[in-house]
Amino acid sequence: KNEVEQSPQNLTAQEGEFITINCSYSVGISALHWLQQHPGGGIVSLFMLSSGKKKHGRLIATINIQEKHSSLHITASHPRDSAVYICAVQTYNTDKLIFGTGTRLQVFP
Amino acid sequence: DAGITQSPRHKVTETGTPVTLRCHQTENHRYMYWYRQDPGHGLRLIHYSYGVKDTDKGEVSDGYSVSRSKTEDFLLTLESATSSQTSVYFCAISESWDNEQFFGPGTRLTVL
Repeated sequence: KNEVEQSPQNLTAQEGEFITINCSYSVGISALHWLQQHPGGGIVSLFMLSSGKKKHGRLIATINIQEKHSSLHITASHPRDSAVYICAVQTYNTDKLIFGTGTRLQVFP
Repeated sequence: DAGITQSPRHKVTETGTPVTLRCHQTENHRYMYWYRQDPGHGLRLIHYSYGVKDTDKGEVSDGYSVSRSKTEDFLLTLESATSSQTSVYFCAISESWDNEQFFGPGTRLTVL
């Protein structure tokens, strides 16, 4: 079993829909990262969080440390949000990240 | 955007040949990482560096070596490339071990 699991693996939505991507992990962590990767493109850091909630534009990330779960929400989705969203966790006192396999999102007009 | 470049961006080589990938940063960040990305796998750490001449192995380090002689450059070497090393390679940097990481554009390597 992977230490970081994302669901769903694939997601399609119509423009304007509210989207939720989930990340569950099985190890103790000091922080959790959400990253975005566009097709053929590089990887961009969206959020780094260790508790509570963060918001940036139409993106919201939440984390529940006790339940070892995080969600990434996209409000009023747009075709340009189409990308792979990657969850990664930083385990306690290590220099390294453990990555999930990503959620592929396609938003249609 | 963080100043990270990777070279080459694309490379096709033959089994058994040596290959060196270069990561260059202009941010003066202490930490640098090399990852590979393959279908069905998350990003996997190959090697990382926490300072000049200070490096350590990641989870998939076999067949790879690294060097960091200057803060700005982190080299990944495949001493004798194999087809299993066909992948997309990403470099990343961070200020410290507990900061967010910034990724380079990636290098697509094909080993025939």
